[in-house]
Amino acid sequence: GQNIDQPTEMTATEGAIVQINCTYQTSGFNGLFWYQQHAGEAPTFLSYNVLDGLEEKGRFSSFLSRSKGYSYLLLKELQMKDSASYLCAADSWGKLQFGAGTQVVVTP
Amino acid sequence: GAVVSQHPSRVICKSGTSVKIECRSLDFQATTMFWYRQFPKQSLMLMATSNEGSKATYEQGVEKDKFLINHASLTLSTLTVTSAHPEDSSFYICSASEGEKLFFGSGTQLSVL
Repeated sequence: GQNIDQPTEMTATEGAIVQINCTYQTSGFNGLFWYQQHAGEAPTFLSYNVLDGLEEKGRFSSFLSRSKGYSYLLLKELQMKDSASYLCAADSWGKLQFGAGTQVVVTP
Repeated sequence: GAVVSQHPSRVICKSGTSVKIECRSLDFQATTMFWYRQFPKQSLMLMATSNEGSKATYEQGVEKDKFLINHASLTLSTLTVTSAHPEDSSFYICSASEGEKLFFGSGTQLSVL
């Protein structure tokens, strides 16, 4: 069956680093998305990994291991505005299967 | 980047009425659009895949007669919640893909009284 797992909540202080892990099991896999979602708003695109390895984009980096069914999103130099829910989503035959989201709380 | 417009952003309706939600791709053509539903503090759940010029593909457990989807043009898909009931109250979001990226509309908060 399909399964996307990520932690429910993580708390970190401003300026710190937080790593959000995501494991997935899907029938068919094209790539792994990460989205940021603030409460009551639509998700915004952060990254899309197709190949194994780390992709860095400013303060945010995303990693994928297809053989392990594992990805992580790394948030560096945390800012208060980074407090949000972070969703991983597996692209399976053109459809996205979302995890439940990880609520990141950034404290001063 | 690509823009997806969703309308209305919020709607309150009486039980038994129908509500139509529009999703438009503003600067690109989208042969496929997706409709999601999200309950508070839960993940987005794919409801259906909307295909231009053909019938929508519904996910298991989603009633096709209740959630009518029409994708009449390459830039517009509509979701009509028919005979809405309080349990249909939710955040509905559409999305459209351009290349490998998926762009979301701003969402519609539906409240059924």
